[in-house]
Amino acid sequence: GNSVTQMEGPVTLSEEAFLTINCTYTATGYPSLFWYVQYPGEGLQLLLKATKADDKGSNKGFEATYRKETTSFHLEKGSVQVSDSAVYFCALSDRGGSNYKLTFGKGTLLTVNP
Amino acid sequence: EAQVTQNPRYLITVTGKKLTVTCSQNMNHEYMSWYRQDPGLGLRQIYYSMNVEVTDKGDVPEGYKVSRKEKRNFPLILESPSPNQTSLYFCASSLWGGDTDTQYFGPGTRLTVL
Repeated sequence: GNSVTQMEGPVTLSEEAFLTINCTYTATGYPSLFWYVQYPGEGLQLLLKATKADDKGSNKGFEATYRKETTSFHLEKGSVQVSDSAVYFCALSDRGGSNYKLTFGKGTLLTVNP
Repeated sequence: EAQVTQNPRYLITVTGKKLTVTCSQNMNHEYMSWYRQDPGLGLRQIYYSMNVEVTDKGDVPEGYKVSRKEKRNFPLILESPSPNQTSLYFCASSLWGGDTDTQYFGPGTRLTVL
């Protein structure tokens, strides 16, 4: 079956530091890949997505590249802000049959200190 | 504003007392789904629906029921809640078919079963 593995947290950084959260996946077929973010007390928001190999998703300074050869979709940001403190989820969707089920990683808590 | 709404946002109940968590979307999405989020487990799919009157089980359907009588609504029913159903629940929706498989999430319902 499909699975997503992302780096364990928590991750604590100082403002303006470089961020990488690793994500690797196992899937049959050609999944779409996503990063969702959950701010404290809120639901999940789509941060970025990529639908095929070598696509780069980007949003709000975050980037991730769909690497089929390494089955990875690592999230990066060059300079984090305090407002980036949240839980980040890597996910995939293989649209198998009639189900658009998202398979999620366990989430990585990021805390950015001023 | 395009959104997915859930009610209630917080609920504390006792074992065996039937409850319903409502979910509604205003984006005319065909596909809707329920997930539960538990610490260390990420999000897991409970049920999904491809359209009105069409529903199917996800990965963890035991103890839950759903219905889809209208396109915009997808309530989650717990007929006899138990403490192991204490969790954070999310409803999600997306278009069906085409190139888009982005799912939009509600704000979550935090359920405690005593």
